[in-house]
Amino acid sequence: DQQVKQNSPSLSVQEGRISILNCDYTNSMFDYFLWYKKYPAEGPTFLISISSIKDKNEDGRFTVFLNKSAKHLSLHIVPSQPGDSAVYFCAASATYSGGGADGLTFGKGTHLIIQP
Amino acid sequence: DSGVTQTPKHLITATGQRVTLRCSPRSGDLSVYWYQQSLDQGLQFLIQYYNGEERAKGNILERFSAQQFPDLHSELNLSSLELGDSALYFCASSPMTGTISGANVLTFGAGSRLTVL
Repeated sequence: DQQVKQNSPSLSVQEGRISILNCDYTNSMFDYFLWYKKYPAEGPTFLISISSIKDKNEDGRFTVFLNKSAKHLSLHIVPSQPGDSAVYFCAASATYSGGGADGLTFGKGTHLIIQP
Repeated sequence: DSGVTQTPKHLITATGQRVTLRCSPRSGDLSVYWYQQSLDQGLQFLIQYYNGEERAKGNILERFSAQQFPDLHSELNLSSLELGDSALYFCASSPMTGTISGANVLTFGAGSRLTVL
């Protein structure tokens, strides 16, 4: 059973426009959500995170929105640039009640293609 | 360079064989995680070690095993290999000191690509 779902395997966006990547989750115990970016032949690299007590976190061109009631989060990239073409993974983690945290549960990824 | 080192980068072997993948975590990180990425699949969590002890297990097959050594490097052993084991294997590390504030950000290595023929 997939606890983190990215239902769009790919997304094509024109350069300069907004890219919106979506992610849904089912586990109510998740309290942190992260986005990772992956280029071919490289490992995933951390992009941005959000705590479940927030509904928005912004870092430059990247903004993550969390709708906890809908168990949905999205990553907005504005404006989209050619270097943003990559696979984006949504990930989630749960914090132990005694401290510490699990590893991350990942979605299958969305391949973002920025068209010139 | 993420600071997480994985060797070998590429490995080609035959069915039934055994291989060992090696990972050196980022300096100061105590926790090591192994993930498998097969074609069209996301990153599947295999196993986590924290300071030498197994911390969590995911979808790891019985033919696979791992360990973390006193110097914190980790090895993933894959035995009786099957065609379906062909995948990218990623190692990641994080500080995970036992109490945590903020997201548990994992830093990934570049991966080891295993091809089983």
